[in-house]
Amino acid sequence: NAGVTQTPKFRILKIGQSMTLQCTQDMNHNYMYWYRQDPGMGLKLIYYSVGAGITDKGEVPNGYNVSRSTTEDFPLRLELAAPSQTSVYFCASSMGTGSLSNQPQHFGDGTRLSIL
Amino acid sequence: ELKVEQNPLFLSMQEGKNYTIYCNYSTTSDRLYWYRQDPGKSLESLFVLLSNGAVKQEGRLMASLDTKARLSTLHITAAVHDLSATYFCAVDIEDSNYQLIWGAGTKLIIKP
Repeated sequence: NAGVTQTPKFRILKIGQSMTLQCTQDMNHNYMYWYRQDPGMGLKLIYYSVGAGITDKGEVPNGYNVSRSTTEDFPLRLELAAPSQTSVYFCASSMGTGSLSNQPQHFGDGTRLSIL
Repeated sequence: ELKVEQNPLFLSMQEGKNYTIYCNYSTTSDRLYWYRQDPGKSLESLFVLLSNGAVKQEGRLMASLDTKARLSTLHITAAVHDLSATYFCAVDIEDSNYQLIWGAGTKLIIKP
């Protein structure tokens, strides 16, 4: 069972570079999420998607972009990387709303990103 | 402002002792989730609490939900070293596509 797969696991970027964090899930979940977790802190929602072609901003979207062309994939793009974006990024997926939200979100292993 | 507050944020305890972690939230919700995170690892779902009065138990961990008080507790019975981790609670926002609002986490260290 692959679940939620994130790549890469680690990355170092220079200020001003851009990159895409990949996330794919094989559970046929409609809902997908991107979070960041700063050291010693909880999770903050960056973007989420309720289905292919539909995305929306979370709490901290500035400096990031997402797309959702398929149910399985939800890449996160960083443009013009800044030191403040140094963090651990988690992708998650879930079945959906209403009675489907009785199931928890499933998380990938995270991408540890340093911007120097 | 939507808030989820956990306390304590840090807890160091001896094996064999009992303790409770508290999760207070400021918005109406009847869905609350508890997760565990080991250092450098991902988050693992522990409990999903779906209604007022819900109680779930797994091994030495027991979680409960009081939606009227907007309070959930995670009780640890006769703690063992393997339970050392950071524990997060998260609450659904019903009117916003069921986004989760997360607590800051409780870092639990259990000493042999």
